[in-house]
Amino acid sequence: GENVEQHPSTLSVQEGDSAVIKCTYSDSASNYFPWYKQELGKGPQLIIDIRSNVGEKKDQRIAVTLNKTAKHFSLHITETQPEDSAVYFCAASIKGFKTIFGAGTRLFVKA
Amino acid sequence: NAGVTQTPKFRVLKTGQSMTLLCAQDMNHEYMYWYRQDPGMGLRLIHYSVGEGTTAKGEVPDGYNVSRLKKQNFLLGLESAAPSQTSVYFCASSFGETGYEQYFGPGTRLTVT
Repeated sequence: GENVEQHPSTLSVQEGDSAVIKCTYSDSASNYFPWYKQELGKGPQLIIDIRSNVGEKKDQRIAVTLNKTAKHFSLHITETQPEDSAVYFCAASIKGFKTIFGAGTRLFVKA
Repeated sequence: NAGVTQTPKFRVLKTGQSMTLLCAQDMNHEYMYWYRQDPGMGLRLIHYSVGEGTTAKGEVPDGYNVSRLKKQNFLLGLESAAPSQTSVYFCASSFGETGYEQYFGPGTRLTVT
């Protein structure tokens, strides 16, 4: 079955710096790759997603890149702010079915 | 528009007791999902449903049952709770074929002693 590995498990950056989180997936049939942000005591919330027919997608300070050949995708957050501090999850699925999540990255943004 | 709601928010059970977690969504979503979240393991899919009256197994279905009698509701049942089922449970929903984004509820923290 599908397996998603996520690194690093913890990331600490200075406010204004960039943060990068990387994920790899195993099932070459996966075609949908969402990223979720989870704040303490809340459910995950989608922040950006990418489909396999696209190599890169950007939304303001957040961008995601996808390398289908290498089966890895990455989240890039620029100009980090304290409110970006949270746990981030990558995930992979086939058309949204049976989504498999990575283990999560806890991001700390120091003011 | 409440989105996805979960009942209850917290629950403590003794080993062997049973309970049902209720998930409700008001977005007319076709697909609904139940996940459990454990430290260091992300979210793992327990069961999911692609429409009223249908359910399917996810990654970790053992010890759980589900029902989707109405489109807006998805119930997760534990027939005989075990300490290994201590976790935070999240329900989610999505449009399905026309929209893959999942919307999550606030979670239920379950402790089995």
